[in-house]
Amino acid sequence: NAGVTQTPKFQVLKTGQSMTLQCAQDMNHEYMSWYRQDPGMGLRLIHYSVGAGITDQGEVPNGYNVSRSTTEDFPLRLLSAAPSQTSVYFCASRRTGANNQPQHFGDGTRLSIL
Amino acid sequence: QKEVEQDPGPLSVPEGAIVSLNCTYSNSAFQYFMWYRQYSRKGPELLMYTYSSGNKEDGRFTAQVDKSSKYISLFIRDSQPSDSATYLCAMTGGTGNQFYFGTGTSLTVIP
Repeated sequence: NAGVTQTPKFQVLKTGQSMTLQCAQDMNHEYMSWYRQDPGMGLRLIHYSVGAGITDQGEVPNGYNVSRSTTEDFPLRLLSAAPSQTSVYFCASRRTGANNQPQHFGDGTRLSIL
Repeated sequence: QKEVEQDPGPLSVPEGAIVSLNCTYSNSAFQYFMWYRQYSRKGPELLMYTYSSGNKEDGRFTAQVDKSSKYISLFIRDSQPSDSATYLCAMTGGTGNQFYFGTGTSLTVIP
């Protein structure tokens, strides 16, 4: 199993450009999430999904869109990139049900907005 | 006030030392507690996962939860240079749809 796979690993954008960060998991996990990690701020939740067709906002959702059409994929869209969105983005997934299973993370996408 | 507070360090110890890492939290609804290890330019990797109060041991790692004090700890015995990383605490409660992370403690183990 590959676990959680994120693409691309690195990306540089200009202000105003759009892009999609891809996330795929092969563990048949119902729950998937997106975080951004900034120095001194820790991991902050952007959006999450508890299953196909169901998404909800986290702590810092502004400027980001998500959709979940399959169990395996959970892409994150930046519609109009801003320098404040320069960050490292992590996707994570976990099994739902009893005992709130912990999340498993991908290796991140490093995004720079010029 | 942040949901989870964690001293960012950095922490530097000699090889073989016992390391103590800590987090405090404010939300009494948190019931599930995790420690992740993150190497440079990699994603967080789950180290320990505990439910409610008590201790859990796995090899050189011990996780402790004190819900009455809203305080969790990770102890690393016989620390190794390969333990050099950033350690993140995380916690959740209720539905588990939102996990809250500390900012991470940077640890360096000197050979």
